[in-house]
Order: sequence, then C-alpha cells, then structure tokens
Amino acid sequence: GAGVSQSPSNKVTEKGKDVELRCDPISGHTALYWYRQSLGQGLEFLIYFQGNSAPDKSGLPSDRFSAERTGGSVSTLTIQRTQQEDSAVYLCASSSFVSPEAFFGQGTRLTVV
Amino acid sequence: GEDVEQSLFLSVREGDSSVINCTYTDSSSTYLYWYKQEPGAGLQLLTYIFSNMDMKQDQRLTVLLNKKDKHLSLRIADTQTGDSAIYFCALQGGSGGSYIPTFGRGTSLIVHP
Repeated sequence: GAGVSQSPSNKVTEKGKDVELRCDPISGHTALYWYRQSLGQGLEFLIYFQGNSAPDKSGLPSDRFSAERTGGSVSTLTIQRTQQEDSAVYLCASSSFVSPEAFFGQGTRLTVV
Repeated sequence: GEDVEQSLFLSVREGDSSVINCTYTDSSSTYLYWYKQEPGAGLQLLTYIFSNMDMKQDQRLTVLLNKKDKHLSLRIADTQTGDSAIYFCALQGGSGGSYIPTFGRGTSLIVHP
C-alpha cells in the first residue's frame, strides 16, 4: 500500500477484555516495529520484526502483550486482560532493508474503561 | 541503552526561527532523525542525518550534529503556524548495531502570531 495502515483507529474496551490491533506495513518493507505512546510520554518500544528472524520482544511490558507477523507482512498486537494503564496510542512503523528510516501509521488510540 | 533527551516545550513567534535541541548518550548511533507529529496523527519523517555529517539543509530545515557534545538540533526558518506540532528526535544503529530507533519524549512547538 501507499503507507502504513493501522486498524482500528480508535478502540474503547472494558477492563479485563482482550484486544487485537492490526498493522499493515508498506509493501516490501521487511522491518516492522510497534511502539506505545502514552499521554505526555515519548515513544516506548514494544517489539521489532525483521524478515524471518525471531522478533525482538524486549520492550513488551508484560506477558499480557504479544504480537505476531504473518507471512512477513501484516502484524497483530494482542493485549490480553486489558488494564487501565494500557490506555495509550499504539503506533506501528515499517522500514525497508535498503533504507532504514521508519515510516509510521496513524496509530490506534486504545482506551480501557 | 540509549538515552535521548529533549526539552518539552518551545514557544516562538510566527516568522522567527525555531531551534529544537536533542542530546543523546550513544555516540555510535549511525542515523539521527527528526519526526513531526501533528495532533491525532502518526509520526511524519521530516529529515535525517548520517553520523558522518555535520550539517544538512532541506528548504526551511537545517539539521546540525555536534558529535563531540552528542548534540543534535533542528532549526526551522521562518516558522509558520502550521509548524505547530510535537517534534521527536530519534537515533538508530547504535551499540551492537541495533536497528530499533530510540526516541526522545518530543518537543511541543507552539507558534503564535
């Protein structure tokens, strides 16, 4: 596609429910990143996928968070048993092997009530 | 890990120059970026500089890199109200060859008439 696409753009969920956030990277980009942006905070790295290599999960804040990337393209970030502190904007970015600068999607604003 | 620091706010008058500063700790970073985030939007790549450069100019934008002091700056000439946004400094390719960009907390630029 023309850019990184994320869905949904907004998600309101009840505490304790599971949510899935989707990211469709730029076609041909081998690297995919998930970040979290809380109010007034910078970007907190969550997970990084590069091609067929094992993902770097070092930024995931707890075992309630997981992500997968199917076929080297679309990625899904799953948050189980959501908590209020999970409320944030979740940003996805992708980059190519040739040029490392990351291109971001519009983000998913998650609100846990 | 990498530590990236930015001041949180900058207020300028329309038509003046804006200078947004960033300091970092990992001197081995290869790529240094400036991103812009408008309200409710994702991050837009503005410009970047390689670590072997001291300066890069792109229309109204000038990036200066002082490797000795580990200081990166973004100068916006003739600042306009449309430049009001959050500006993020990001570094990539540091110790261990990490390709996960590390972001500062962002500087909110407020442009007033």
